[in-house]
Amino acid sequence: DTGVSQNPRHKITKRGQNVTFRCDPISEHNRLYWYRQTLGQGPEFLTYFQNEAQLEKSRLLSDRFSAERPKGSFSTLEIQRTEQGDSAMYLCASSLGGARLRGYTFGSGTRLTVV
Amino acid sequence: TQLLEQSPQFLSIQEGENLTVYCNSSSVFSSLQWYRQEPGEGPVLLVTVVTGGEVKKLKRLTFQFGDARKDSSLHITAAQTGDTGLYLCAGVKGGGADGLTFGKGTHLIIQP
Repeated sequence: DTGVSQNPRHKITKRGQNVTFRCDPISEHNRLYWYRQTLGQGPEFLTYFQNEAQLEKSRLLSDRFSAERPKGSFSTLEIQRTEQGDSAMYLCASSLGGARLRGYTFGSGTRLTVV
Repeated sequence: TQLLEQSPQFLSIQEGENLTVYCNSSSVFSSLQWYRQEPGEGPVLLVTVVTGGEVKKLKRLTFQFGDARKDSSLHITAAQTGDTGLYLCAGVKGGGADGLTFGKGTHLIIQP
């Protein structure tokens, strides 16, 4: 297992287009998290899954954002009608059980640029 | 509102010097974690501290969790150029919430 994998690494899209990112977590990890990081800021929590259930969503996750983890393995994050303010690094992380004791393993991220 | 304040935001020192960076909050956290992030990559976990007053050492890095579980520090002894990076602290609030709250980070540059 090579860790958390995110695709694509980079995405440039025109304003108003839809984009979808994929995350493949470490295979035995049951929890999967999405974060967004803008320049000069730390990562901001978006949502997390335990297996296929989406257990928590941040207020940052507007109606244009949707995340799925259909079989409790990989996850997708879709942004509809992208806006320039959506430009950021989107990070996926996974953990076995809760983050409190073990922390996360992060992927390398998908950098989104909306032009 | 930034729940976790990190200081300093930027630090540039010479190789071989010692340094301490801080992570402070008015909130209590059930655990605090430190990550290091390289440009264009995701953060990498360095340590997790869960008990007030806890001290953990990772080679030349020493991490401390405050007695009241509201703050933490990272001390690096004899810094090396390979220590250069963005150091992020992150807290778990507990009470069922599993998302991490991150600080803005300390950009550390170690000059040869």
